[in-house]
Amino acid sequence: DVKVTQSSRYLVKRTGEKVFLECVQDMDHENMFWYRQDPGLGLRLIYFSYDVKMKEKGDIPEGYSVSREKKERFSLILESASTNQTSMYLCASSLHSGPGGVNEQFFGPGTRLTVL
Amino acid sequence: GQNIDQPTEMTATEGAIVQINCTYQTSGFNGLFWYQQHAGEAPTFLSYNVLDGLEEKGRFSSFLSRSKGYSYLLLKELQMKDSASYLCAVSPNSGNTPLVFGKGTRLSVIA
Repeated sequence: DVKVTQSSRYLVKRTGEKVFLECVQDMDHENMFWYRQDPGLGLRLIYFSYDVKMKEKGDIPEGYSVSREKKERFSLILESASTNQTSMYLCASSLHSGPGGVNEQFFGPGTRLTVL
Repeated sequence: GQNIDQPTEMTATEGAIVQINCTYQTSGFNGLFWYQQHAGEAPTFLSYNVLDGLEEKGRFSSFLSRSKGYSYLLLKELQMKDSASYLCAVSPNSGNTPLVFGKGTRLSVIA
């Protein structure tokens, strides 16, 4: 059974703290993604990675950074958390597809982060 | 630019049929996905269309018209457990470009 896991389901942090959100997949997927999901705004892509040590900015990368040191692990970092980063954070992974191909994304359970 | 539109909310009765529409304008097209997301849970894959026509999978069917930039998800014999958000997502390019997601349609099934 395919599995994407996230380190915490719920997290409460204070403004200015450094926050690490971890995502691990056991499917040997090359592609990994970080989204945030807010009411009325849907899923918004923060960063993604096609391979180890590679990263690409998504639509809303400001205030975030990422790390992909191992294929199975993709970390999202909030260098200095702010209240407007209170959100549901979803990690996803997919297989690398060949020309003309596309593969479904598998999602983790999400981390609901509250920044006070 | 990339734009995907779907209704924000819908309500339907248990046992009925509901159709959730999705229209898209994207820089390219390499397939369309539908995901189901129950409140507080992760999205899960429902269907994938890359060619025009209807794909049926049990109570759920998905239709695609590439020329019209249009898809719908059809849910038959609605059950209370079908109450969820339904996300339409487009792959705008071949290869590994991230999916572009719509904002989701929240479906409430009532008795």
